[in-house]
Amino acid sequence: GAVVSQHPSRVICKSGTSVKIECRSLDFQATTMFWYRQFPKKSLMLMATSNEGSKATYEQGVEKDKFLINHASLTLSTLTVTSAHPEDSSFYICSARTGEGNTEAFFGQGTRLTVV
Amino acid sequence: AQKITQTQPGMFVQEKEAVTLDCTYDTSDPSYGLFWYKQPSSGEMIFLIYQGSYDQQNATEGRYSLNFQKARKSANLVISASQLGDSAMYFCAMRERVGGGNKLTFGTGTQLKVEL
Repeated sequence: GAVVSQHPSRVICKSGTSVKIECRSLDFQATTMFWYRQFPKKSLMLMATSNEGSKATYEQGVEKDKFLINHASLTLSTLTVTSAHPEDSSFYICSARTGEGNTEAFFGQGTRLTVV
Repeated sequence: AQKITQTQPGMFVQEKEAVTLDCTYDTSDPSYGLFWYKQPSSGEMIFLIYQGSYDQQNATEGRYSLNFQKARKSANLVISASQLGDSAMYFCAMRERVGGGNKLTFGTGTQLKVEL
């Protein structure tokens, strides 16, 4: 199946700093990528849909100035958590779809962010 | 209202036995897709099986099968001949059309523990 690579897998940062997470589709072009957040023992919550060459579409309640998404190419989307605070600590995971319609979304390995 | 409902927070099964993980869904979109993912403790989301709303037959992938009952809006996952490595969190998800695109909504998950 298609491979999605997410980096870094784990990051610890100081409160007030920004952290960038990368999501790459390694063997296919992804016009659309998705960013999810997962709290411990909870479900995945969609944060935003990242569209190549255009602005991301954010879900209700997600601060777009806090979680900056850039999808500059067909194989790379980035999520930047700006001015991170301890409450931003979470597991962030991206996915990419190989096409529209009934195709499964392939997920990255996830990034565990801890803000201290 | 919950779009995807998984009523079993945790399940135990003995090795080599079969287990059914429940999932019900709610949508008014006539064209939708149902997915099951496995999430081990390492965090990555592993695609297991997919069922399209118009598919006549239940999906099967190796030891995984999906018991699709459209009238009841249920899409239970059946794992046959359970193995210790099947111990993980299992998420049911639904893809439906939202606005101009497709969106995946996840259930709350079922933690499966396979015992000797």
